[in-house]
Amino acid sequence: AQSVTQLGSHVSVSEGALVLLRCNYSSSVPPYLFWYVQYPNQGLQLLLKYTSAATLVKGINGFEAEFKKSETSFHLTKPSAHMSDAAEYFCAVTLPNRDDKIIFGKGTRLHILP
Amino acid sequence: DTEVTQTPKHLVMGMTNKKSLKCEQHMGHRAMYWYKQKAKKPPELMFVYSYEKLSINESVPSRFSPECPNSSLLNLHLHALQPEDSALYLCASSQDPLGNSGNTIYFGEGSWLTVV
Repeated sequence: AQSVTQLGSHVSVSEGALVLLRCNYSSSVPPYLFWYVQYPNQGLQLLLKYTSAATLVKGINGFEAEFKKSETSFHLTKPSAHMSDAAEYFCAVTLPNRDDKIIFGKGTRLHILP
Repeated sequence: DTEVTQTPKHLVMGMTNKKSLKCEQHMGHRAMYWYKQKAKKPPELMFVYSYEKLSINESVPSRFSPECPNSSLLNLHLHALQPEDSALYLCASSQDPLGNSGNTIYFGEGSWLTVV
């Protein structure tokens, strides 16, 4: 069965520093991968997704993620953190031609230090 | 426009009340979803409607009753809830069911439910 593991339930970075949020997946077939962000008291917003085109995916708000099949990873990065990036981030996976479900990781809370 | 609209934003109800949560999308999406999210947890799938038919029920208690009146609307009827049902309820939609290739789920802002 497919699964998603996010390493680190909390990550703290200084404003202006590199953001790196880790996501590893387990799947028997090539998956589709997503990163969502949830700001306090809001719904989930799509940051970016991988659907087997380019392995480096650029998203909104300066975020990007790289699909690495050999490492079964889809880590999220941003070169320079901003205070407004403080939020909960979820990595998620769906599988082609399978059931109608998206599997979420447990989430990583990103804290930005002034 | 990738908007999923949910009403009400906040709802407080007693354990004997009957209430409904409403969700609307005008993107022509053919799959709609209800999720429940507790604090500091990822969303948990409750129901999936594909082409206006219930396709997945994740063993949700019968005190939650979904309804899809048409392709744009999704309701969640609530009756005899328990305090532990207090949570954020998220509606979502996708162009086609997720079993098809690379569809994105778009989420609404959610309805905060408190059961007293």
